[in-house]
Amino acid sequence: DQQVKQNSPSLSVQEGRISILNCDYTNSMFDYFLWYKKYPAEGPTFLISISSIKDKNEDGRFTVFLNKSAKHLSLHIVPSQPGDSAVYFCAASDYTGNQFYFGTGTSLTVIP
Amino acid sequence: GAVVSQHPSWVICKSGTSVKIECRSLDFQATTMFWYRQFPKQSLMLMATSNEGSKATYEQGVEKDKFLINHASLTLSTLTVTSAHPEDSSFYICSATRQVRDEQYFGPGTRLTVT
Repeated sequence: DQQVKQNSPSLSVQEGRISILNCDYTNSMFDYFLWYKKYPAEGPTFLISISSIKDKNEDGRFTVFLNKSAKHLSLHIVPSQPGDSAVYFCAASDYTGNQFYFGTGTSLTVIP
Repeated sequence: GAVVSQHPSWVICKSGTSVKIECRSLDFQATTMFWYRQFPKQSLMLMATSNEGSKATYEQGVEKDKFLINHASLTLSTLTVTSAHPEDSSFYICSATRQVRDEQYFGPGTRLTVT
């Protein structure tokens, strides 16, 4: 069963607006979370991460929020740009880092 | 949901030996499987793409003779690291799709340590 879920397979946003990508997980032992961005025919590119001791991590236009009680994390992109159009994967691991569990991805389209 | 497993999850081998990593789609037929390599806190590097019954397509810079990929069935792909060296130590992840442009379902990864 999927331990990391991205329930929205696709999302469209106007350029300049905020994009919010969501991710849910089921395993309470997960304590490290990552977001990857993937363009067609390329491998996923690491974007931003957050450990469970934080509830927010910011890097430029990208902010990841973690709600441990809800087992939910989200990636905010502000402002969205056409170049952000890609598939976004969230992933989680426990403290060992020996296994990573990926969501199935959300395809973001930013409309100029 | 679609589940992809990898075996083993963690393997330690001696320099010069070969190690095989399996990637299985448990409840669906995967026409295409991908093999990635990840370094700590870095992007996943696509190593190769394999379609069932045909030779794998390797990315530039990936040694075909060192990283042998076999996609013998619609539910199994294997990656064999031959004559392993300590620099091959890494995290290897596979993913599978049911059809072209379908969602990718990722395996949990295999941590390889070469001593």
